Amino acid sequence: AQTVTQSQPEMSVQEAETVTLSCTYDTSENNYYLFWYKQPPSRQMILVIRQEAYKQQNATENRFSVNFQKAAKSFSLKISDSQLGDTAMYFCAFSIHSGTYKYIFGTGTRLKVLA
Amino acid sequence: ETGVTQTPRHLVMGMTNKKSLKCEQHLGHNAMYWYKQSAKKPLELMFVYNFKEQTENNSVPSRFSPECPNSSHLFLHLHTLQPEDSALYLCASSQEPSGTYNEQFFGPGTRLTVL
Repeated sequence: AQTVTQSQPEMSVQEAETVTLSCTYDTSENNYYLFWYKQPPSRQMILVIRQEAYKQQNATENRFSVNFQKAAKSFSLKISDSQLGDTAMYFCAFSIHSGTYKYIFGTGTRLKVLA
Repeated sequence: ETGVTQTPRHLVMGMTNKKSLKCEQHLGHNAMYWYKQSAKKPLELMFVYNFKEQTENNSVPSRFSPECPNSSHLFLHLHTLQPEDSALYLCASSQEPSGTYNEQFFGPGTRLTVL
């Protein structure tokens, strides 16, 4: 079965602090992509960061970085120097190719950044 | 208009009504998707269209009927829905096959309430 598990339904962090959102996944595929998407309140979902499964180096995008552990099938997101605008639902997802690209999402983690 | 747009943004309908959701992407992509987003559940992939051809139907009840007249437009026709169909319906698009990052671009969603 292809699944994504986000074990933290809700989290909060103080502004300027660092927070880590966890994600584990299950797939029998060897080639896939991993993503973190952000869905701010009442706004569109946007891509935060992405990782190719065959790359060992962890992806980084400004204040956002991932800790990708392929053997453990773990893909956590670290947000440094948290800002109020980071308040959102965060979805972990991966995509595989089976005829077309198929995306599997987790249930999301609601992050609240506190002033 | 830029990105992915969806209309209407909010829809309230009775169980005997027939309505349609519309999605349009202005990104030149060739794949489009319908997702259902319910609270505390993973995003559920409903349908995938690649070059106007349906490539995925994720066991969706027949009361949901998709239509993709061209690569830029996607519709979801609704009839005799149930209250449990109330959810946020998201449209997304991507460029397939990209060979690299197959990021999905999401619309703002249609909040559907079935009475």
